[in-house]
Amino acid sequence: DTGVSQDPRHKITKRGQNVTFRCDPISEHNRLYWYRQTLGQGPEFLTYFQNEAQLEKSRLLSDRFSAERPKGSFSTLEIQRTEQGDSAMYLCATSGDTDTQYFGPGTRLTVL
Amino acid sequence: ELKVEQNPLFLSMQEGKNYTIYCNYSTTSDRLYWYRQDPGKSLESLFVLLSNGAVKQEGRLMASLDTKARLSTLHITAAVHDLSATYFCAGGGDAGNMLTFGGGTRLMVKP
Repeated sequence: DTGVSQDPRHKITKRGQNVTFRCDPISEHNRLYWYRQTLGQGPEFLTYFQNEAQLEKSRLLSDRFSAERPKGSFSTLEIQRTEQGDSAMYLCATSGDTDTQYFGPGTRLTVL
Repeated sequence: ELKVEQNPLFLSMQEGKNYTIYCNYSTTSDRLYWYRQDPGKSLESLFVLLSNGAVKQEGRLMASLDTKARLSTLHITAAVHDLSATYFCAGGGDAGNMLTFGGGTRLMVKP
């Protein structure tokens, strides 16, 4: 357990529905990252925050994806109008003063 | 844009044997990371390599970095079954330290 928590751990939804995932970082970690991992692949970077500022979002997969970190603590990742191709593991990672990113357990999304 | 390639993609080895996983990256990367992932689990940080010639060891695993060759290696010594997992290398170091991962090496250690 790295101290990064994610909720829910599993989400099954129907195509077209909206879903939201939450990430709670290690306390005092100012950087928070979202990645997506599909089966048999390495994680793919989506977006990151430095405190509450979203400093990179050009890698979000489409305008259906959005992320927030309103108070510089927890973060949410929302996917609107889900598609079957969105099925994947969504991983959150956080880092503080060191360069190491600590990953949470992930949220596995299945879109039917 | 940084690209990271690992080989082999799959490695089956006997307990007690030695082997090396290779990680090549396409452009300058200030930092090179190694992670371990067990099936259905998240990623566990193994090593962070920050400079040319850096070598780090933990138990039966040793990682090294050659920035001139744009190559990192993860060497496994006298493998044991508990090392069976998927190993990822990742490059970072640009603004924000966004990680670019390789495709992973699935390691299976047989008794």
